[in-house]
Amino acid sequence: SQQGEEDPQALSIQEGENATMNCSYKTSINNLQWYRQNSGRGLVHLILIRSNEREKHSGRLRVTLDTSKKSSSLLITASRAADTASYFCATAHNSGYSTLTFGKGTMLLVSP
Amino acid sequence: KAGVTQTPRYLIKTRGQQVTLSCSPISGHRSVSWYQQTPGQGLQFLFEYFSETQRNKGNFPGRFSGRQFSNSRSEMNVSTLELGDSALYLCASSLSGGNTEAFFGQGTRLTVV
Repeated sequence: SQQGEEDPQALSIQEGENATMNCSYKTSINNLQWYRQNSGRGLVHLILIRSNEREKHSGRLRVTLDTSKKSSSLLITASRAADTASYFCATAHNSGYSTLTFGKGTMLLVSP
Repeated sequence: KAGVTQTPRYLIKTRGQQVTLSCSPISGHRSVSWYQQTPGQGLQFLFEYFSETQRNKGNFPGRFSGRQFSNSRSEMNVSTLELGDSALYLCASSLSGGNTEAFFGQGTRLTVV
């Protein structure tokens, strides 16, 4: 079953604009990871944020985590056409040897 | 440092056949996980291996199996292929499992006809 649910399912913006994607999950997590996937290829790891962290940055990416609301957001600032991809959040649970549970993803289209 | 390598990249098989997919993790990583991605079900966890032992298994039939070798390379096998097994199979490598960053290969696109 899907643990994370991304919102929106699809997002279309212009180059230079910011893109925000949200992820909600149901049970306690150890960490949450964001990935990018271009057109049916492999997943590219973007950021890992642990349950005791509230915010992380990496270049134009900013991830927040609110464990009380069981939600996370990924902000891409100053979007480029090359950011066009599907973005997934994946949660690692607290239980035992955790694996990643993925949401269905947000499809981002950045137009020049 | 080399990334995660999956072979082959593409496969076409006939119903009833079996297939073996290979994954070479990042050097030093001991955990290898396998995922199936389809348009309808999204990304679903198959199994995870750590130091040659299966630690976790997803909700897939016994036709799906895997193993890990002493050099951490992993293989997954699907027997008696069905049309519904057509998918992108992704392998993820991490130092010790879900508590660390997982890095994915480019995947193997399996088409069952």
